[in-house]
Amino acid sequence: EVQLVDSGGGVVRPGESLRLSCAASGFIFEDHGMSWVRQAPGKGLEWVSGISWNGAIAAYADSVKGRFTISRDNAKNSLYLQMNSLRAEDTALYYCARDLSISARPLDYWGQGTLVTVSS
Amino acid sequence: SFVLTQPPSVSVAPGQTATISCGGNNIGSKSVNWCQQKPGQAPVLVVYDDNDRPTGIPERFSGSNSGHTATLTISGVEAGDEADYYCQIWDSSDYHQVFGGGTKLTVL
Repeated sequence: EVQLVDSGGGVVRPGESLRLSCAASGFIFEDHGMSWVRQAPGKGLEWVSGISWNGAIAAYADSVKGRFTISRDNAKNSLYLQMNSLRAEDTALYYCARDLSISARPLDYWGQGTLVTVSS
Repeated sequence: SFVLTQPPSVSVAPGQTATISCGGNNIGSKSVNWCQQKPGQAPVLVVYDDNDRPTGIPERFSGSNSGHTATLTISGVEAGDEADYYCQIWDSSDYHQVFGGGTKLTVL
């Protein structure tokens, strides 16, 4: 069974940092690209960042570029999101999601989400 | 970057057919995916690559895509289909995923 378990969320002050993790199981992790998607309270889904299967390609939404860094450790079946210089507008539920790795790149499995709250 | 436009809400009576649109410039040239999100739950993929269904998704869910509009169609709508629906495309030019703003489906 495919499982993605998100963790690392919490309450931080503006300007602080946080590192999210996503533990994957039930599939060959290195065969898939991965993404982080967030959802602010009462709002829609917003793609944050994505990484290729081998980590060679990393991409970011303009809203987080230069502040967030995505990475992965295929030996540990884990995905990470380092979030620096956090802002109030980064407050959201953060999901990791698996890329089905076909041309359409659908996100076919999602974690349960981890909540990040940025507040003074 | 690519912009996807969805209506904020759609309402339908049980047993009827719901259609949810997703507009984008020449979206017909791209592959469109759809996910369903019920309150308090993570999203679930219901249609991918315009009109394919993941294992376990009922045949009632189907998609189409042409020109500047992609459409998710839910036939024989049930109360359990009430949820937010998001269209999504992969923009290969900059390795970005793009989501539409979401449509809240209400079953009357």
